Amino acid sequence: AQSVTQLDSHVSVSEGTPVLLRCNYSSSYSPSLFWYVQHPNKGLQLLLKYTSAATLVKGINGFEAEFKKSETSFHLTKPSAHMSDAAEYFCVVSDLGAGNMLTFGGGTRLMVKP
Amino acid sequence: GAVVSQHPSRVICKSGTSVKIECRSLDFQATTMFWYRQFPKQSLMLMATSNEGSKATYEQGVEKDKFLINHASLTLSTLTVTSAHPEDSSFYICSASTQGALYNEQFFGPGTRLTVL
Repeated sequence: AQSVTQLDSHVSVSEGTPVLLRCNYSSSYSPSLFWYVQHPNKGLQLLLKYTSAATLVKGINGFEAEFKKSETSFHLTKPSAHMSDAAEYFCVVSDLGAGNMLTFGGGTRLMVKP
Repeated sequence: GAVVSQHPSRVICKSGTSVKIECRSLDFQATTMFWYRQFPKQSLMLMATSNEGSKATYEQGVEKDKFLINHASLTLSTLTVTSAHPEDSSFYICSASTQGALYNEQFFGPGTRLTVL
């Protein structure tokens, strides 16, 4: 079985400061992990994905995430927040045992203050 | 590449009517398509999985007679909400994957906002 926990439902940062969105997962096999961003009334955009290659994954818009198997974590970070980063972020897991099924975390709403 | 479209993007209908939402993979063949539902300020909930040419597999608690899914071709899946009621108002998102897709990646459509009056 697979599951995802996003530890913070809301995160608020000031523009120009670092962003940390936390995600822990549970997986029976070697997981694939994804971070998606969703702006209001929009679909999901893939930020980055971990697929058993490099543990530090770089994505679009300056985001990156590090896969830590020992901690079962896949936290999303960005050195400097922009106002345009304000959105909902979803951590997603998929493993071989689930076929093509994705399991979504509950989401983290990122607010960026000027 | 890997673009998925949905139509319509927004629909408002009267209670008791049926609404059809289309999901298309524009530049690849989607052997599997997924339908999700998202309530305000909540995460995505998988409703059903459909493979081209076969019946959809519905998640527990999803009424298959209410949410009719057809995946007649490798580029098109439709979701029909039958006899819609206000509680069916939601954001519906489809996604698609292709056979042999690396790492179980799904490509998401932009979503359809359904409002039932």
